Amino acid sequence: EDQVTQSPEALRLQEGESSSLNCSYTVSGLRGLFWYRQDPGKGPEFLFTLYSAGEEKEKERLKATLTKKESFLHITAPKPEDSATYLCAVHYMTTDSWGKLQFGAGTQVVVTP
Amino acid sequence: NAGVTQTPKFRVLKTGQSMTLLCAQDMNHEYMYWYRQDPGMGLRLIHYSVGEGTTAKGEVPDGYNVSRLKKQNFLLGLESAAPSQTSVYFCASSLSSSVIRGTQYFGPGTRLLVL
Repeated sequence: EDQVTQSPEALRLQEGESSSLNCSYTVSGLRGLFWYRQDPGKGPEFLFTLYSAGEEKEKERLKATLTKKESFLHITAPKPEDSATYLCAVHYMTTDSWGKLQFGAGTQVVVTP
Repeated sequence: NAGVTQTPKFRVLKTGQSMTLLCAQDMNHEYMYWYRQDPGMGLRLIHYSVGEGTTAKGEVPDGYNVSRLKKQNFLLGLESAAPSQTSVYFCASSLSSSVIRGTQYFGPGTRLLVL
């Protein structure tokens, strides 16, 4: 069965303490991998799209990387405002032309001052 | 631009009652989606639409119906609510390009409690 797994489930960081989140996938026919940020009580907000192994994207203190079977979201010197749940989603080929977009369960990040 | 809006924000239903959730987008997006989000699980696709007048089933369509009579609106209906449908419902929209279909814009969500 196609799977998208995020780890860890939760992460508690001190302000300035860099760390990485993982999104691993077992799907074949990857069309794209997406990272979203979700604040409590709100809808997910798009961060990055990665299309091929070796690709990297950056935005402020966040950097996303992609390999053939996983993606990492690196948070450098995080601030309390980086506290959120980070979701990854994988778009992959299926028998119909639309394909499928599958979300992971998310990693909840808390950054304390 | 308001982006994607959802109505209502919160609703309590009794088992067997019906209701309709409304989603509206002002970005002229072709694609629209309804998801549900439950604790410990990823977003799961209920139904989606690739354009006005068309709808298709997603991963968990049972117990739900949808309609897309206008390009900017996507309605999600629960004909006979069950406690298992207690969840947070998100609507999203995206452009039609298959390459960037995963770049979706989400609404703020509707919290539904079925007693």
